[in-house]
Amino acid sequence: GAVVSQHPSRVICKSGTSVKIECRSLDFQATTMFWYRQFPKKSLMLMATSNEGSKATYEQGVEKDKFLINHASLTLSTLTVTSAHPEDSSFYICSARGRTDEQYFGPGTRLTVT
Amino acid sequence: GEDVEQSLFLSVREGDSSVINCTYTDSSSTYLYWYKQEPGAGLQLLTYIFSNMDMKQDQRLTVLLNKKDKHLSLRIADTQTGDSAIYFCAEALGFQKLVFGTGTRLLVSP
Repeated sequence: GAVVSQHPSRVICKSGTSVKIECRSLDFQATTMFWYRQFPKKSLMLMATSNEGSKATYEQGVEKDKFLINHASLTLSTLTVTSAHPEDSSFYICSARGRTDEQYFGPGTRLTVT
Repeated sequence: GEDVEQSLFLSVREGDSSVINCTYTDSSSTYLYWYKQEPGAGLQLLTYIFSNMDMKQDQRLTVLLNKKDKHLSLRIADTQTGDSAIYFCAEALGFQKLVFGTGTRLLVSP
């Protein structure tokens, strides 16, 4: 099956710094990638949808200047959390979709902001 | 609305059947999915059902869809301890967006 990786799997950063999370589709070309956020013991919340080569579409309530998304190639999307604060601590999961409707999920990145 | 609701917790004994329920609100959903999430991990697609189907069986998994009541269920036969995880239902809205349920934590005891 299709494989999606995320890097890093865990990151701890200081408040006020920025952190970048990578999402890669390893064996297929992902025309669309999605970024989700999951709070402890909660469901996944879609943050944004990105199509290769175009600007991301953000969900209502998600600050586009805080969560910068880049989808520069068909196998890589990045999420940069800028000027991170403790309330940004969360589990961030990406998914990727190729030619079919199915979304393949990455293993997630746990961000802790101290 | 986009609320997809699930019961929070289910506890069963090994070998029993588990039934996880989900209620969704958007009647225009095309596909409905069941995902499994193990601790600290991403989501694994278990199965899905197209909105014009009533039932789908895949080995130990049976999905039932009642479109009139917007009710979806996942039955796991002969539940094993390795099935302990959080299970999410999700509905596909339009072409792109998945809306996830609140998740059901399944605990299987020996």
